[in-house]
Amino acid sequence: DAGITQSPRHKVTETGTPVTLRCHQTENHRYMYWYRQDPGHGLRLIHYSYGVKDTDKGEVSDGYSVSRSKTEDFLLTLESATSSQTSVYFCAISESPAYEQYFGPGTRLTVT
Amino acid sequence: GENVEQHPSTLSVQEGDSAVIKCTYSDSASNYFPWYKQELGKGPQLIIDIRSNVGEKKDQRIAVTLNKTAKHFSLHITETQPEDSAVYFCAALTQGGSEKLVFGKGTKLTVNP
Repeated sequence: DAGITQSPRHKVTETGTPVTLRCHQTENHRYMYWYRQDPGHGLRLIHYSYGVKDTDKGEVSDGYSVSRSKTEDFLLTLESATSSQTSVYFCAISESPAYEQYFGPGTRLTVT
Repeated sequence: GENVEQHPSTLSVQEGDSAVIKCTYSDSASNYFPWYKQELGKGPQLIIDIRSNVGEKKDQRIAVTLNKTAKHFSLHITETQPEDSAVYFCAALTQGGSEKLVFGKGTKLTVNP
């Protein structure tokens, strides 16, 4: 398995609180992605990174920010969590967009 | 932007039968089409992919076909086994501006023993 971990694996938080999810890789892949998975919607891209300090928006980026200060770490922040952000969040890594993406185990986030 | 439609959303087959999942895409410039399998409680994992310069690719019991003219591609699983039960996602790589994968909504495949 590709060396990719996510933390925390589960989190319950209240509406309005900030939340940060961490993705860590040991593969030195250039690209890192954050997806959310919801029933009936499949996987939707939130943000992605193509290098240290280089990030771009995906299709559902509103309410989320990201940072990548090191090759191995990609952080996803919900500045003020809302119930609509209750979801399972997956991090993925790849050498290039046109090659295999390796997914982490996911983080289940519940916003009450 | 790219839109990927996947059908059916659920599929139930008997062990040993074949299963077919179909996807259509909207961006004619898309040139990379992977398929991912997601088992319960895990992240998706690539099972096969195809690029626009070929029409078919096989890997043991799994095959993918691509029709660029019609903008659709399909996953074929033969001699299904209970361990094939999972959610399958197709995806297409967008080309406009930055390259990103757009996923279909998924197909839950159940293989009954």
